[in-house]
Amino acid sequence: NAGVTQTPKFQVLKTGQSMTLQCAQDMNHEYMSWYRQDPGMGLRLIHYSVGAGITDQGEVPNGYNVSRSTTEDFPLRLLSAAPSQTSVYFCASSYREYYGYTFGSGTRLTVV
Amino acid sequence: AQSVTQLGSHVSVSEGALVLLRCNYSSSVPPYLFWYVQYPNQGLQLLLKYTTGATLVKGINGFEAEFKKSETSFHLTKPSAHMSDAAEYFCAVSNYGNNRLAFGKGNQVVVIP
Repeated sequence: NAGVTQTPKFQVLKTGQSMTLQCAQDMNHEYMSWYRQDPGMGLRLIHYSVGAGITDQGEVPNGYNVSRSTTEDFPLRLLSAAPSQTSVYFCASSYREYYGYTFGSGTRLTVV
Repeated sequence: AQSVTQLGSHVSVSEGALVLLRCNYSSSVPPYLFWYVQYPNQGLQLLLKYTTGATLVKGINGFEAEFKKSETSFHLTKPSAHMSDAAEYFCAVSNYGNNRLAFGKGNQVVVIP
């Protein structure tokens, strides 16, 4: 049982490049979310999904896209990377809102 | 909208002393409350949660928290700090039908030998 798997663990991008952060879970969780973590800011919700084919925006969605074609996978796409997107990104999944989320180990992204 | 306030970004505690981390929430409906711990360069791990029922909840590693509706609080405590408790701690809130988990800004706990 791998839990929530995020790839890559580290990434350096140049301004303007695009990339996809991968997230997969093997717990058959319906709920999945993407957060970014910045020093002193806690975790801020980027996008979330309540099931395959259903996604919605969080509090900081600009510059990011998501899709959810399967229950297992929830990739996060950076359309045109900017230095302000330098952060640590966490993917998380949950069965229901009262269960608590299981987090991946994170992707540390640097945009230069 | 729901929100969480955690005061004091850095908290220093002596080894063997009480650990107390304060969390106050804002929610217009009954909340689900969570405490998470993050060790360096790792993801977040669930410490404990309150959903319904008993207001004093016990979690892993000797931590516990008490839900006080009248004070809109969910403070985290541990009677005796260990060096291994050095980490960042986050309080979070959601509620029924809402999977948008809202986090506080976190408390960085330093344990002094």
